[in-house]
Amino acid sequence: AQRVTQPEKLLSVFKGAPVELKCNYSYSGSPELFWYVQYSRQRLQLLLRHISRESIKGFTADLNKGETSFHLKKPFAQEEDSAMYYCALTYSGNTGKLIFGQGTTLQVKP
Amino acid sequence: NAGVTQTPKFRVLKTGQSMTLLCAQDMNHEYMYWYRQDPGMGLRLIHYSVGEGTTAKGEVPDGYNVSRLKKQNFLLGLESAAPSQTSVYFCASSDQPSTGNTIYFGEGSWLTVV
Repeated sequence: AQRVTQPEKLLSVFKGAPVELKCNYSYSGSPELFWYVQYSRQRLQLLLRHISRESIKGFTADLNKGETSFHLKKPFAQEEDSAMYYCALTYSGNTGKLIFGQGTTLQVKP
Repeated sequence: NAGVTQTPKFRVLKTGQSMTLLCAQDMNHEYMYWYRQDPGMGLRLIHYSVGEGTTAKGEVPDGYNVSRLKKQNFLLGLESAAPSQTSVYFCASSDQPSTGNTIYFGEGSWLTVV
């Protein structure tokens, strides 16, 4: 079965430190992978998708099919990055249904 | 620019009561989804719809029913609420899924069953 795993429930870093939020997936075909961000008690917003290979708010993520990973990275964390981050997967023929990881709370301390 | 709107935003129910959550989207999207968000479990799909008049079960459909009588609305019903249904519910919509399509989420509905 398809699965997305985010091994860290909470990641706490100081402002200016590098950040890496881990995401591993299990899917034998060609996945579409996303990172969503949820600021306190707000709606989920799309942060990144792997097909666009763009950088949003300084975040990047690279799909590593060999390691089945899609880790989210930022070289210098900002306090406003504090939020819940979800990695999600879908694939062609899945009618757009997203399979989410458990989520990682990023806490950036001043 | 409303996007995806959910009502109500907050509700407290007693065990056994019924209620309906309404999701409305103004983007003419074909696909709509209901997820529930629970700590440590991420978001899990309850039901979804690929067009007006159609519904299908997701990962955790038990205890819920849905209807899509109008393209812009997707209703989630709880016939007999249970404490295990205490959760945050998110509606989402998208155009026909294809590479590059974005899924838009509502602001969430906080439901407590006591």
